[in-house]
This record gives sequence, structure tokens and C-alpha cells, in this order.
Amino acid sequence: DVVMTQFPDSLAVSLGERATINCKSSQSIFFSSNNKNCLAWLQQKPGQPPKVLIYWASTRESGVPDRFSGSGSATDFTLTISSLQAEDVAVYFCHQYCLTPFTFGQGTKLEIK
Amino acid sequence: QVQLQQSGPGLVKPSQTLSLTCAISGDSVSSDSATWNWIRQSPSRGLEWLGRTFYRSKWSSEYALSVKSRLIISPDTSKNQFSLQLSSVTPEDTAIYYCVRKTVFLDYWGQGALVTVSS
Repeated sequence: DVVMTQFPDSLAVSLGERATINCKSSQSIFFSSNNKNCLAWLQQKPGQPPKVLIYWASTRESGVPDRFSGSGSATDFTLTISSLQAEDVAVYFCHQYCLTPFTFGQGTKLEIK
Repeated sequence: QVQLQQSGPGLVKPSQTLSLTCAISGDSVSSDSATWNWIRQSPSRGLEWLGRTFYRSKWSSEYALSVKSRLIISPDTSKNQFSLQLSSVTPEDTAIYYCVRKTVFLDYWGQGALVTVSS
């Protein structure tokens, strides 16, 4: 199985400041048939199912604010929130979706400082 | 707009079978471009993919090794839904269960159902 490891486990950032979450996979999740990485970032707020923010490591899902961006390749990935808003308080997960079993990071809890 | 509506009991006794159903609107369980997945979430195990069913000229199902001997995921084309049956449950199976559509990625999630295994 592909193990997804996120860091940090929790993060406190001031409003308007940048937040950065990292994710490392135990093996490359680069999909050679389309030259893309099978990595998504999910956001989960209390009482709700996870919601996809980013897929193919850097493609923003429709309707997601452009302050959210994803980067990285092969085994190392980053989610960046350029200017933290109050509504961004949530748990964030990285997730690989090309190799079964699909696997998820343990989550990073993002709070306001 | 795709919607997934989950139903099923919230309490199951140990050793019994956990059964959940996911009704699909806005897509077809027989779609040749989607797979229909079950994922659970608990504090101890995090987000865990359990398995999927899909149609590509014929029906197939695929399961996580951790539950393979106890799990059946099956479609019901007449009702446009799919279901999960997890047998011989223990308290370790207590979790929020989600049904999820995957096309490119896991794009539509059901609302989630908390299932508690307790006598």
C-alpha cells in the first residue's frame, strides 16, 4: 500500500498569513500515461464529508478560491493557502487515487493563531 | 448535479452484519466512467478506503485486504444504488461510513453515516 504521511499534524496561522502543509508518499504516484501525479488535497469541516480542493497535485477544483494551490511531484507535495481566511479552519488530507487501495494522509488540523 | 443518499442502521451488534445503501441521483451506477466506493473514517484508523464496484462491460468489485474476507459491495441497477455488507463486525468497525463516486478523483461524497458496533 502507498503510505501517505503529512506534516505537521497541526498548524496555527494568523489571519491573512500563509499556511503550508506537506505530504510525502512512500512511493511515486506519478501517472505516466498522462504525466500527472495522482494526488488530491481534501478539506474537511466538522460534521461534513471531505471536499476535494486540488487534484492532479495542482489543479484546483471548480469553485475553490485561488488562495489554495498545490505543488510537488513524485513523492513530495505541498498545499499552500496564500492568505488564511477564517473559513479555512478545517482538517486537510492528502490522498492518492490511482493505486488501490486508495490511501489518505492522517490529516493536518489548521487553526487560527 | 450528482447526489448520493445513504441509508442504514446506526447501531449494529457485534458479530452481526452491517448493511448500508447509497442511492444515486444525477448519474448511473452502470456508468462506464465512474466507480462507486465505500470509505470509512474513525479516530483510530483515519480515512480508510474499503472497496468499490464498477461496470466495464461486466460488473466487478474490489476490496481492501483488511476487510476482503468480510465485505461485499454490490450494485442494484433497478434502484440505481449500491450497497455495503460487512459481516462479523466488532467494535473496531465503529466509524462514519461514506459512499463516494470516483471518476478522475473522489468527486462526490454521501453525507456520511455513523455506525456504532455495540451490544
